[in-house]
Amino acid sequence: DTGVSQDPRHKITKRGQNVTFRCDPISEHNRLYWYRQTLGQGPEFLTYFQNEAQLEKSRLLSDRFSAERPKGSFSTLEIQRTEQGDSAMYLCASSLVDQDNEQFFGPGTRLTVL
Amino acid sequence: SQQGEEDPQALSIQEGENATMNCSYKTSINNLQWYRQNSGRGLVHLILIRSNEREKHSGRLRVTLDTSKKSSSLLITASRAADTASYFCATDPSNDYKLSFGAGTTVTVRA
Repeated sequence: DTGVSQDPRHKITKRGQNVTFRCDPISEHNRLYWYRQTLGQGPEFLTYFQNEAQLEKSRLLSDRFSAERPKGSFSTLEIQRTEQGDSAMYLCASSLVDQDNEQFFGPGTRLTVL
Repeated sequence: SQQGEEDPQALSIQEGENATMNCSYKTSINNLQWYRQNSGRGLVHLILIRSNEREKHSGRLRVTLDTSKKSSSLLITASRAADTASYFCATDPSNDYKLSFGAGTTVTVRA
């Protein structure tokens, strides 16, 4: 499968715990995006990388959230001290520069904070 | 903030009928993309239409774009049960890279 992959697909955690998600983009894509989607809504942008540089962060991304893309390939999204309001689907997408910003999404990680 | 708004919020049709949904947006765009999402799954990219295009086809899908009205429509012809899903439009604003999504249209195709 050469699409975007995400791991884990589901995560259940207790409030206050830290969680980390991983995204592997399409191999030749140099842009990588994180979005969050809550029930009944469309995805909302969190942050994006071009190669290893994090170029933009949404105001939705509180200081409990951190994302990295250390070698310009896979990316991790960590949430510290999780809260019930963090429960959502976390989606990763990738795209290629100069190709109309056509973004391809992974299957998502569904986070449930108890 | 979500720029796009889909209309209607929900649509129920009989198999074989056509389904039409609309998307309105607020700012100038480079392109507009339509996605499908089956319940609890990731988004599947359906079609991209550039700001200088007016109509585009892909299989049973037809997308139109009217930049003067800041609106787009997605037509699914000869619908099938497998088309049951939520459909989202996403705008790619000028000078920006992040997509802005609406809340989606939920389509139910009855057998």
